[in-house]
Formats: sequence, structure tokens, C-alpha cells
Amino acid sequence: EVQLVESGGGLVKPGGSLRLSCAASGSTFGYYAMNWVRQAPGKGLEWVSSISSSGRHLYYADSVKGRFTISRDNAQKSLFLQMNSLRADDTAVYYCASNGIYGWFDPWGQGTLVTVSS
Amino acid sequence: DIVMTQSPDSLAVSLGERATISCKSSQSVLYSSNNKNCLAWYQQKPGQPPKLLIYWASTRESGVPDRFSGSGSGTDFTLTISSLQAEDVAVYYCQQYYSPMYTFGQGTKLEIK
Repeated sequence: EVQLVESGGGLVKPGGSLRLSCAASGSTFGYYAMNWVRQAPGKGLEWVSSISSSGRHLYYADSVKGRFTISRDNAQKSLFLQMNSLRADDTAVYYCASNGIYGWFDPWGQGTLVTVSS
Repeated sequence: DIVMTQSPDSLAVSLGERATISCKSSQSVLYSSNNKNCLAWYQQKPGQPPKLLIYWASTRESGVPDRFSGSGSGTDFTLTISSLQAEDVAVYYCQQYYSPMYTFGQGTKLEIK
């Protein structure tokens, strides 16, 4: 079974950058699309970005388009999210999650907290 | 984008009673290739990541108790907990995966009355 572990969160000033990573265990990482989903404090789930298994197809929520970049390294079984021009409303726990063959999200990582504040 | 709307926002149910949560999508999420609805339900407890409960609108994930069931088609879906247990206190989310611009409902907080 695949397990996902996020890292890279922390405190950053508005306008700053941060790079999140998600390390996967197991042998199936390269077969499935991957996602980033975030959850602001006390709020609901917001899908942020997806990347196909090959890395050729990328999708972004309007709220992060042009500022965030998703990428993956299948050889290293890792997923990344480069976040630039960070704003206070980007403050959230960021989860990585794997797609099944058809698109539901399972499993999820435990999340990493990103705080954007001066 | 497909908008997912859940109701109610919060719900209080007595132990052993039925809990019902509704989810409506702004357009059909029926996948014509297999005639299945691209709708999943998740449970999230405080401090934990979401947990997949149901996919294809009505298929229970392995290990999920059979008191959880999903139903509906097209744009209207329901998650039912047939007999509420204390461990079911959580926030529940629906999600469409028909479009790669995935979207979640706003969540329904389920509590014990």
C-alpha cells in the first residue's frame, strides 16, 4: 500500500516562496496521477493542483494558477509543489493525495502546514 | 468548474439514529463509458487527513462499515449512516472526479444530539 509523507511547510512572509514535497512509498507511484489539496484553518477542502502519471498534463485551481507549479519525479517517487508570490490566504494545511485509476483520492498524506504571515 | 453543494452544513443526530447528507452537483457527473457517477465521499476527523468512504457514488471502500451507504445519480447524491455511532462524529465531504478540475462540497459537520 502506498504511503505519502509531505514536507517543506513552514512560516513565510507574503510575497515569498516555498517548495513542498511529498514522498511516496510502494511501487505504484508512477502509475497514478497525484494531487495537492489544501485546507485553511477551520475551513473545508480545496483542490489545488493535479499532475498526470507521466507529468505531461497539469491542472490548477484558478486561485493558484500562475503562482504555483506542480511537478513530479517518478524515479524518486516524489511529488512537488513550488509556491511563489504567497499570500495570507494561502495559509493552510497542504495534503498530497493519489488518484485511483478513475480519480477518487486515496491515500492521503498527513499534511504539512504553510503559514503566510509577516 | 463543477460546483458541489452539500446540505445541511451541520447536523446533530442521536446515537443509533439515521443521518443523511445531501450533495448536489452543478452538472451531471455521470461517466458515459461505464454508466457510473464520478462522486466520492470522505470522512475527516479533527487533526486527521480525509478518509475515502465511498466512490462511484455507492461503492463502499474496503474496511468501511456497512452502516455507511451512498446513493444517487446525475446531479443529486446522498450519504446515509444507518445507525449513528459515536466514532462517526466528523466532517463529511463529497467530491466530483468527472472533471480533472476536481471540486469538493463545503462539508457537513456531523455531531451527536
